[in-house]
Amino acid sequence: GENVEQHPSTLSVQEGDSAVIKCTYSDSASNYFPWYKQELGKGPQLIIDIRSNVGEKKDQRIAVTLNKTAKHFSLHITETQPEDSAVYFCAAGYNFNKFYFGSGTKLNVKP
Amino acid sequence: DTGVSQDPRHKITKRGQNVTFRCDPISEHNRLYWYRQTLGQGPEFLTYFQNEAQLEKSRLLSDRFSAERPKGSFSTLEIQRTEQGDSAMYLCASVPPLSTQYFGPGTRLTVL
Repeated sequence: GENVEQHPSTLSVQEGDSAVIKCTYSDSASNYFPWYKQELGKGPQLIIDIRSNVGEKKDQRIAVTLNKTAKHFSLHITETQPEDSAVYFCAAGYNFNKFYFGSGTKLNVKP
Repeated sequence: DTGVSQDPRHKITKRGQNVTFRCDPISEHNRLYWYRQTLGQGPEFLTYFQNEAQLEKSRLLSDRFSAERPKGSFSTLEIQRTEQGDSAMYLCASVPPLSTQYFGPGTRLTVL
């Protein structure tokens, strides 16, 4: 089955700096890659996603890049704010079917 | 708020007891997924329904676990004879056709 690895497990940045979280996947059949933000005591919330026919996607301060050849994808958050502090999960799936999640990155944005 | 609700939000039970969780997905979403999330880990797939049919079950779903989705609307997940290893957050995801998964707030289970 699919195996998704995520790094780093924790990330601390100063407010206004950029944050980058990286994930790799193993199954070349995976064609959909969502990113979720999870705050304490809440369910995961979709923040951005990318399909395998696209190399990059941007939504305001958040961007995701995908390298299908290398089987890795990354989340980029620019101009970080304290409210960006949360746990971020990457996931991989095929055609919106069951997702395989990474182990999460705890992002701390220091004011 | 994604519009997906789960009940209860928290459940504390003693080992050996049975528990049942409920998920109310967004109406007209034909697929519903259950995941389990342990502390410090990402969610792991348990099972999913398309309408009322349960189409796939993970090996994580032992015979003590059962899930239903009568009439293709809400879904229930029951755990019989709970064990301490069942302690986790149980997440439900509601999925419209040809689109991504929207998660509910989860039910946190603690087995004493």
